[in-house]
Amino acid sequence: ELKVEQNPLFLSMQEGKNYTIYCNYSTTSDRLYWYRQDPGKSLESLFVLLSNGAVKQEGRLMASLDTKARLSTLHITAAVHDLSATYFCAVAGGSQGNLIFGKGTKLSVKP
Amino acid sequence: DVKVTQSSRYLVKRTGEKVFLECVQDMDHENMFWYRQDPGLGLRLIYFSYDVKMKEKGDIPEGYSVSREKKERFSLILESASTNQTSMYLCASRRHGTGGAGGGYTFGSGTRLTVV
Repeated sequence: ELKVEQNPLFLSMQEGKNYTIYCNYSTTSDRLYWYRQDPGKSLESLFVLLSNGAVKQEGRLMASLDTKARLSTLHITAAVHDLSATYFCAVAGGSQGNLIFGKGTKLSVKP
Repeated sequence: DVKVTQSSRYLVKRTGEKVFLECVQDMDHENMFWYRQDPGLGLRLIYFSYDVKMKEKGDIPEGYSVSREKKERFSLILESASTNQTSMYLCASRRHGTGGAGGGYTFGSGTRLTVV
């Protein structure tokens, strides 16, 4: 059974600092996704990572995938308040190739 | 733009009522999903459907049923609402068998249901 673990679950950062969110998964998969959720809103797709060594960047966020370690990271560079949200990783591998979600990392960026 | 529409943003229902949550997608996607989201528990899959009239139980189907009579519409039914079903409900869809850069889910805006 595929399991997806994120850490940390809560992250309080100061503006301008860097930090990394980790996503570990338990069995082989060919696709990993990152989503963002703002308070009271739905999930918005950020990145899809398809192969070992894949790296995607959008603004201050950079996601990478190491399929051998079964690990993806979401790196935040020089955080700003607008990045405050909950970030989910999800791995394809359930029944019918469904996505299995981590529990999410709630990021709070403070001035 | 790809769209998944949930009919209500907020709902308040009484214990014991039969509740219908509607989800419509305009992308001709085969697969549709219902999740509930609760603080500290993440997203939990209730039911999914990979084709019209087909349905599969997810991780927490108890107390729920679903209906998929048309490809674009997937309904979640609470047969007799209870207070422990107070939650945020999220609908999602995706194209079946999508590989490559696809395969991700498109989510609706969510329905926050309160059962009193």
